[in-house]
Amino acid sequence: AQSVTQPDIHITVSEGASLELRCNYSYGATPYLFWYVQSPGQGLQLLLKYFSGDTLVQGIKGFEAEFKRSQSSFNLRKPSVHWSDAAEYFCAVGPWAGFQKLVFGTGTRLLVSP
Amino acid sequence: NAGVMQNPRHLVRRRGQEARLRCSPMKGHSHVYWYRQLPEEGLKFMVYLQKENIIDESGMPKERFSAEFPKEGPSILRIQQVVRGDSAAYFCASSPDSTGGSYNSPLHFGNGTRLTVT
Repeated sequence: AQSVTQPDIHITVSEGASLELRCNYSYGATPYLFWYVQSPGQGLQLLLKYFSGDTLVQGIKGFEAEFKRSQSSFNLRKPSVHWSDAAEYFCAVGPWAGFQKLVFGTGTRLLVSP
Repeated sequence: NAGVMQNPRHLVRRRGQEARLRCSPMKGHSHVYWYRQLPEEGLKFMVYLQKENIIDESGMPKERFSAEFPKEGPSILRIQQVVRGDSAAYFCASSPDSTGGSYNSPLHFGNGTRLTVT
């Protein structure tokens, strides 16, 4: 069965500190992995995506994610968090071929403290 | 280039009424997806449409829900006889095509319609 697990419902980080959001997936075929960010009352914005190649991918807003096949993980990181990063973050997995029936995790809400 | 436009942003319906949610994809996009986000949950796929065709509706509840994407005009998600459990945020996404799969045709999401059933 296809599934995405984001074990942390909420995370609080001090402004300027580093951030890591966890994501584990279960997918029967070759996965295509995403991180999206959702600000309150807004839609989802794509931060980054991964299919193959270098396992460390760079995204927008200074985010990066590392794919670890042996751990079925795709954790999101940022070296220094800004107050504007406070939002909800969703990890998703989808097929490489065909249309985009994405499976989303339940999200991690990031709070940034001064 | 305008993004994916959804309206209304907020919709309140009493139990038993009908809800109609509209989605205009990005210019040049011919593929539309509807996802539902229940409170405290991630988004769940509902339906995938191309112009005048429903390609996959495996995520749609079997009753009361329907979707269309006519040749002209926006895509419509219709919920008949709404119940409290239908309260959720409904997101539309579009992509230019499906060739090459997800990698070459990333989804662009709208800001959603938040449906509240009283």
